[in-house]
Amino acid sequence: EAGVTQFPSHSVIEKGQTVTLRCDPISGHDNLYWYRRVMGKEIKFLLHFVKESKQDESGMPNNRFLAERTGGTYSTLKVQPAELEDSGVYFCASSQQLNTEAFFGQGTRLTVV
Amino acid sequence: AQSVTQLDSQVPVFEEAPVELRCNYSSSVSVYLFWYVQYPNQGLQLLLKYLSGSTLVKGINGFEAEFNKSQTSFHLRKPSVHISDTAEYFCAVSVLYQGGKLIFGQGTELSVKP
Repeated sequence: EAGVTQFPSHSVIEKGQTVTLRCDPISGHDNLYWYRRVMGKEIKFLLHFVKESKQDESGMPNNRFLAERTGGTYSTLKVQPAELEDSGVYFCASSQQLNTEAFFGQGTRLTVV
Repeated sequence: AQSVTQLDSQVPVFEEAPVELRCNYSSSVSVYLFWYVQYPNQGLQLLLKYLSGSTLVKGINGFEAEFNKSQTSFHLRKPSVHISDTAEYFCAVSVLYQGGKLIFGQGTELSVKP
């Protein structure tokens, strides 16, 4: 069974550009989460999808971040325009049921220069 | 609000020695507790979790953790570590009825030396 897949693994962009991160959860997992780890800080929750619906987006930093999960399968996280402080590792996780094991992807390392 | 504190940012230890990674949490409501591990260049992997029942939880790779409600702690232990245990370890909580989102501690880098 394939795990959670994230693409790209690394991305270096200039300030002001747009970047789109993609997450493919484990098939059949209705719950999909995005997290971010800024260097030197803890991993922080960004948002939670249940199927295609945003269940909780309380962790989204600002309106430069847009997450979608069309059709309840893969998800994208777009940052537009990117700022220097957006640099970090973005993790995606999926789970079949709430409060069960969440399976994490390898993360996307985003560097904004 | 909930918070998780991992008391040690780095723990160096020699191979075959015991290790304890400390985790304290703060919450006014019931939580589930987790330990995740991140090996170099990999994603986070669940080591163990406490949902209910016995307060001593056994996980993969010989790790175990004990939930102490009175001290709001969930320390991770292994009686004898291997070089391959070198990784970053994360303690996390999720709050009942809040969608399963995880609140993480800052992480502890375990470095096992020969």
